Amino acid sequence: DGGITQSPKYLFRKEGQNVTLSCEQNLNHDAMYWYRQDPGQGLRLIYYSQIVNDFQKGDIAEGYSVSREKKESFPLTVTSAQKNPTAFYLCASRISSFSYNEQFFGPGTRLTVL
Amino acid sequence: AQKVTQAQTEISVVEKEDVTLDCVYETRDTTYYLFWYKQPPSGELVFLIRRNSFDEQNEISGRYSWNFQKSTSSFNFTITASQVVDSAVYFCALSVGTGGFKTIFGAGTRLFVKA
Repeated sequence: DGGITQSPKYLFRKEGQNVTLSCEQNLNHDAMYWYRQDPGQGLRLIYYSQIVNDFQKGDIAEGYSVSREKKESFPLTVTSAQKNPTAFYLCASRISSFSYNEQFFGPGTRLTVL
Repeated sequence: AQKVTQAQTEISVVEKEDVTLDCVYETRDTTYYLFWYKQPPSGELVFLIRRNSFDEQNEISGRYSWNFQKSTSSFNFTITASQVVDSAVYFCALSVGTGGFKTIFGAGTRLFVKA
């Protein structure tokens, strides 16, 4: 079955530590996205990638970093510079960033900073 | 600037009631797309519908229907004869820009359907 996988489902981090969230898709989609979801708020865009080896900052990129070395993979690193990283993180993909098609979402990773 | 407003934070209904989720959007673009997604307790957003700015026809899919009105910048979603399985958070979203790469989500409406 085609889809998006995110791991781990739950992640606990101590303050001051970097942590990497995994996102893999087998849909052959060019575009991939990372969103952050906080209670009572909509999804906010962290980073997006329109094609391999390219990525752009979204609305709340500070304290985060990404890479896109392979079409299938778009990992997100939450660095110690992120002031309030506890949140639900969603990865998404779309067939192309030059289309108005819907996005497909992964099951999310819930990150808690202890 | 673009914006999506879902004024209803939470709605609670009893099974078999009809319920309408409101969505109001703002954009100066003439070409844009509107979406509705459902987020069940599992967390994964599921696509429900897409509508482009040039197509104001209402759509019905089973118990779901959507009312798009450009005159009021609204794209409301109605569930007829609600069921417990409809309990979820529903997001309205707006895609603008070349190819629609930028998507703005509303804050979501949490729907509780009680048996």
